[in-house]
Amino acid sequence: GNSVTQMEGPVTLSEEAFLTINCTYTATGYPSLFWYVQYPGEGLQLLLKATKADDKGSNKGFEATYRKETTSFHLEKGSVQVSDSAVYFCALRNAGGTSYGKLTFGQGTILTVHP
Amino acid sequence: DGGITQSPKYLFRKEGQNVTLSCEQNLNHDAMYWYRQDPGQGLRLIYYSQIVNDFQKGDIAEGYSVSREKKESFPLTVTSAQKNPTAFYLCASTDGGVGYTFGSGTRLTVV
Repeated sequence: GNSVTQMEGPVTLSEEAFLTINCTYTATGYPSLFWYVQYPGEGLQLLLKATKADDKGSNKGFEATYRKETTSFHLEKGSVQVSDSAVYFCALRNAGGTSYGKLTFGQGTILTVHP
Repeated sequence: DGGITQSPKYLFRKEGQNVTLSCEQNLNHDAMYWYRQDPGQGLRLIYYSQIVNDFQKGDIAEGYSVSREKKESFPLTVTSAQKNPTAFYLCASTDGGVGYTFGSGTRLTVV
């Protein structure tokens, strides 16, 4: 079956530090990959996505590249801000079959950025 | 603006009681989903529906039930058979493309 593994958290950084949150996946075929962000007490918001190998998703200074050879989709940001403090989820969606449309999530990584 | 509305935001359930969580969308999306979120466990799929009057069990359907009588609505009932219902519940929808929209969630607590 499908699975997503994120790096263990929580992650605590100082403002302007470099961020990496690792994400690896197991899936059949060619899934689409996503990063979602959740602020306290809220639902999930799409941060970025990639639909095929070597695609780079980017948004608000965050980037992630779909690496099929290493089955990875690591999230990076060059300079984090206090407002980036949130929970980050890596997810995948299968391209077809009986699980079409279902999102499979990693366990989430809590990021805290201090001034 | 289109979106997903979940209600209530907070819900308290007594032991042995059934409760229903509402999820309404005005995005004209065909597919809708219910996820459960527990600390440190990510989101787990409870039920999903790809068309009206049809729905499928997800990974943790035991103790839950759903209906899909209208395209816009996908209510989730947490029954007394669900032994550990305290969690954050998220509803989502998609038009079958890559984008998903999530509601703001309902926090259910057993008292």
